[in-house]
Amino acid sequence: SQQGEEDPQALSIQEGENATMNCSYKTSINNLQWYRQNSGRGLVHLILIRSNEREKHSGRLRVTLDTSKKSSSLLITASRAADTASYFCATEANTGFQKLVFGTGTRLLVSP
Amino acid sequence: GAGVSQSPRYKVAKRGQDVALRCDPISGHVSLFWYQQALGQGPEFLTYFQNEAQLDKSGLPSDRFFAERPEGSVSTLKIQRTQQEDSAVYLCASSLVAVGETQYFGPGTRLLVL
Repeated sequence: SQQGEEDPQALSIQEGENATMNCSYKTSINNLQWYRQNSGRGLVHLILIRSNEREKHSGRLRVTLDTSKKSSSLLITASRAADTASYFCATEANTGFQKLVFGTGTRLLVSP
Repeated sequence: GAGVSQSPRYKVAKRGQDVALRCDPISGHVSLFWYQQALGQGPEFLTYFQNEAQLDKSGLPSDRFFAERPEGSVSTLKIQRTQQEDSAVYLCASSLVAVGETQYFGPGTRLLVL
């Protein structure tokens, strides 16, 4: 079963705009990871944020984590048409096993 | 190789047929995972190996699903007597160490059971 929800389910923006996606989860975690999936392709790892971190940056990506609210957000700045994809958050529970529990995903469409 | 590879990329099976899906992880990666992704959904965990040991198989949906990694590198996911509900993309991932590291995913095998 899915760990939690991502919000919004779908997002449509113009190139150059920022895109924000939110993820909520249910259990205590070791870390939270964000992945991108283009249509019909595998998952590409974007960023990993550990439970003791609050914010992380990678290029045009900014991820925040609020463990008290069990939520995370992914911000993509200055979006490009090539950013069009589905974005998933995935959590690794702090139970000693590494399995990832994925959210339901946000479908992002960036129009030129 | 540079990344995780999976074969075949596409598989069409008749209901009742057995299938075998192969995963080649990144060389030296200790951990290997299988996930199942239904259309429009996020991936769901099936099973986990640490080297050759299968430490968690709690996500396997039925006893028709079987996975192995006999030498701690290549893994095979076998589905016996396939059913239409088995149609999905099967994703393999590997990571370097046991806990708390990035999982790198392969392109997946898209299985269609007719």
